Amino acid sequence: DAKTTQPNSMESNEEEPVHLPCNHSTISGTDYIHWYRQLPSQGPEYVIHGLTSNVNNRMASLAIAEDRKSSTLILHRATLRDAAVYYCILRGLTGNTPLVFGKGTRLSVIA
Amino acid sequence: DVKVTQSSRYLVKRTGEKVFLECVQDMDHENMFWYRQDPGLGLRLIYFSYDVKMKEKGDIPEGYSVSREKKERFSLILESASTNQTSMYLCASSSNPRISGNTIYFGEGSWLTVV
Repeated sequence: DAKTTQPNSMESNEEEPVHLPCNHSTISGTDYIHWYRQLPSQGPEYVIHGLTSNVNNRMASLAIAEDRKSSTLILHRATLRDAAVYYCILRGLTGNTPLVFGKGTRLSVIA
Repeated sequence: DVKVTQSSRYLVKRTGEKVFLECVQDMDHENMFWYRQDPGLGLRLIYFSYDVKMKEKGDIPEGYSVSREKKERFSLILESASTNQTSMYLCASSSNPRISGNTIYFGEGSWLTVV
């Protein structure tokens, strides 16, 4: 799976939008972009994924650049419960590779 | 909701003991995984399984073995626990990984301390 690059940490004020960037310049045409997050003392949980088009769900939105070399996870209104480590992961269409996690971005939310 | 259940949340074991970490999923997933997570090192894959009685080594299999006798259950075994195996262990499951849109679901983690 291709590599991703994320900032080590970010900070946001409560109830403001948060944009978490991810660079994946070596992405292949069949790689899906997945986002997971890990709350303190818990296992990672799925947030969202996409291939080419922007995606929305109840948790977040995923904006994918036209060249697919970068993407942004958008939390529309950060809450204290959104404080977590966010992982951006690429997953290929072929092969049996499990998820490979990088270091992720630690998001702090300030009240 | 998909549920991945790890049998023990917190364990303390002695050096040299044989340790079993059990994981059960209720979604009929073919694939199951064991990771460990340590500060500064992130999540590292120990073993995974794509079918009953099948197993594949991950990045750090040394000192571990696994058992998958039933589809819903994947056990991680520490044959002779050592202090450097003190860690948080995470079990996960997913349906066919060849379909990249499929989500992986994690358990809450098992915190193992070896003294």
